[in-house]
Amino acid sequence: AQSVAQPEDQVNVAEGNPLTVKCTYSVSGNPYLFWYVQYPNRGLQFLLKYITGDNLVKGSYGFEAEFNKSQTSFHLKKPSALVSDSALYFCAGDNQGGKLIFGQGTELSVKP
Amino acid sequence: EAEVAQSPRYKITEKSQAVAFWCDPISGHATLYWYRQILGQGPELLVQFQDESVVDDSQLPKDRFSAERLKGVDSTLKIQPAELGDSAMYLCASSLDPDTYYEQYFGPGTRLTVT
Repeated sequence: AQSVAQPEDQVNVAEGNPLTVKCTYSVSGNPYLFWYVQYPNRGLQFLLKYITGDNLVKGSYGFEAEFNKSQTSFHLKKPSALVSDSALYFCAGDNQGGKLIFGQGTELSVKP
Repeated sequence: EAEVAQSPRYKITEKSQAVAFWCDPISGHATLYWYRQILGQGPELLVQFQDESVVDDSQLPKDRFSAERLKGVDSTLKIQPAELGDSAMYLCASSLDPDTYYEQYFGPGTRLTVT
């Protein structure tokens, strides 16, 4: 079955340190992969996507993600975390079948 | 910047009552999605429209849920009768095209509490 997994419910990072939010996928074919962020009582906001091409994708607010086909991963990264990055992050994937499958989300907490 | 509008933002209802949610997508977006997000989980697709036509409603509990997009613009999602298990955030999203190559833009959601 197709799935997207986020193995960490919560990630804690000190402000200024690099952050990584992990995502692995099990989608047949060539996947489209996305990262979204959700602030409290808000809808999801698009951060970045991988469709094809360069494995390193750059997105909004200084975030980037690396597509690794051999490890079936699409981890979200940022070189220097901000307190304002604290939010719920969702990885999502699709195998061009027309439906996005979301992971369960990772709560990122950045402390000053 | 154009946004997806949803109303109401919050709704409290008693079980067995009817509830309705409204969504106005970004102008020009032909594809509209309704998702349900249970606390602590990612969104799950309920129904997808392309213009006024339903493309996918395989996860919509059709005995109690209905959705329409009569003129291919705004959309309404209805639950009748509501059950306790329907308590969740209901998100509407839109995109330019049904191909999931295109990112989806989400509204702020309607948080439903069924008592």
